[in-house]
Amino acid sequence: QQQVKQSPQSLIVQKGGIPIINCAYENTAFDYFPWYQQFPGKGPALLIAIRPDVSEKKEGRFTISFNKSAKQFSLHIMDSQPGDSATYFCAASRETGANNLFFGTGTRLTVIP
Amino acid sequence: DSGVTQTPKHLITATGQRVTLRCSPRSGDLSVYWYQQSLDQGLQFLIQYYNGEERAKGNILERFSAQQFPDLHSELNLSSLELGDSALYFCASSVDSGPYEQYFGPGTRLTVT
Repeated sequence: QQQVKQSPQSLIVQKGGIPIINCAYENTAFDYFPWYQQFPGKGPALLIAIRPDVSEKKEGRFTISFNKSAKQFSLHIMDSQPGDSATYFCAASRETGANNLFFGTGTRLTVIP
Repeated sequence: DSGVTQTPKHLITATGQRVTLRCSPRSGDLSVYWYQQSLDQGLQFLIQYYNGEERAKGNILERFSAQQFPDLHSELNLSSLELGDSALYFCASSVDSGPYEQYFGPGTRLTVT
């Protein structure tokens, strides 16, 4: 059972566009939501993370929007560049008990020059 | 560079064999997580160690085991290998055991022939 559902599976945008990747979860015990970026042959790299006490967090060109009542969160990439072409994973973890990450299935983003 | 190191980078072995994957966490991190990434299962949590003790188990097969040593490096042992064990194995570390940032190593690509 997939604890974090991610969409779309793939996404193609023009340079300068704003790709949006969406994730949803069911387990209300989740309270930490990071996004990871992975290039081929590399490990996932932490991009940005949010906790449920805020509805939005920005770091550079990356923004997380969080809707606690809907149990959804999304990643927006402003002014996307060809170098942003990678696979993006959302994830979630609990504060208590096991703190491992539950990952979404990933979104392969291609930014066309 | 996340500061997490993993060896070897690639491993090719035959069915039925046993291998050991090694991980050194970032300096100061006490918690180590092991994840498996495969095309059909995505990124799946295997096991977590915190300061030398097992903290949580995920979808780890009985043929697999891990440990964390006093110097905090960790090893993942995979035995009686099957074709389906071919995957990328990632180690991640975090400063403590909790919903903190997890930093991933570059991974070990295991191919079982």
